Amino acid sequence: AQKITQTQPGMFVQEKEAVTLDCTYDTSDQSYGLFWYKQPSSGEMIFLIYQGSYDEQNATEGRYSLNFQKARKSANLVISASQLGDSAMYFCAMRAPAGNTGKLIFGQGTTLQVKP
Amino acid sequence: DSGVTQTPKHLITATGQRVTLRCSPRSGDLSVYWYQQSLDQGLQFLIQYYNGEERAKGNILERFSAQQFPDLHSELNLSSLELGDSALYFCASSAGTLGANVLTFGAGSRLTVL
Repeated sequence: AQKITQTQPGMFVQEKEAVTLDCTYDTSDQSYGLFWYKQPSSGEMIFLIYQGSYDEQNATEGRYSLNFQKARKSANLVISASQLGDSAMYFCAMRAPAGNTGKLIFGQGTTLQVKP
Repeated sequence: DSGVTQTPKHLITATGQRVTLRCSPRSGDLSVYWYQQSLDQGLQFLIQYYNGEERAKGNILERFSAQQFPDLHSELNLSSLELGDSALYFCASSAGTLGANVLTFGAGSRLTVL
């Protein structure tokens, strides 16, 4: 069965510093996709970054990068130069193609607080 | 604005009642997903439709049902409501179902059952 594990319920980071949010996954599929979403206190889910299992380079989107270690089945999100607006809950999610459904399985999330 | 519209934003009702949550997907997206977010269960996948047909079913209770209409909007029906059904219900849409197709989420419908 597919599973996403985020072991850090809460994290603190100082403004302007970098922070890494951990995500490990479990799947028997060779082809899969990994996603990170941000959920601010307002509640909406905002897509941040995507990594495909066959992508050779780590994905980057502005201040977000994904540290993809396939052998370790980890897909950690790195936020550089943290800003106060980065305070939110962050979810790691996985899509595996089995059944061609497109659904995402989400981890439990990590709450990030950025200190001024 | 994500382009995915959910109504109502907030809903308060009593146990035993029935409610309908509505979702209009982003223009051009054929796939609609429903998720339930509660404090103890996290984000749980409920059901997915693709171009009017059910594509996948997750942890959806028998008291819950959904459908996607020809204009691609979707409705999630929750009946015989219990206190534990109080949650934030998200609708998301995507153009396709493979690879990097991103799920775009609506703002959610917050259901409170008293």
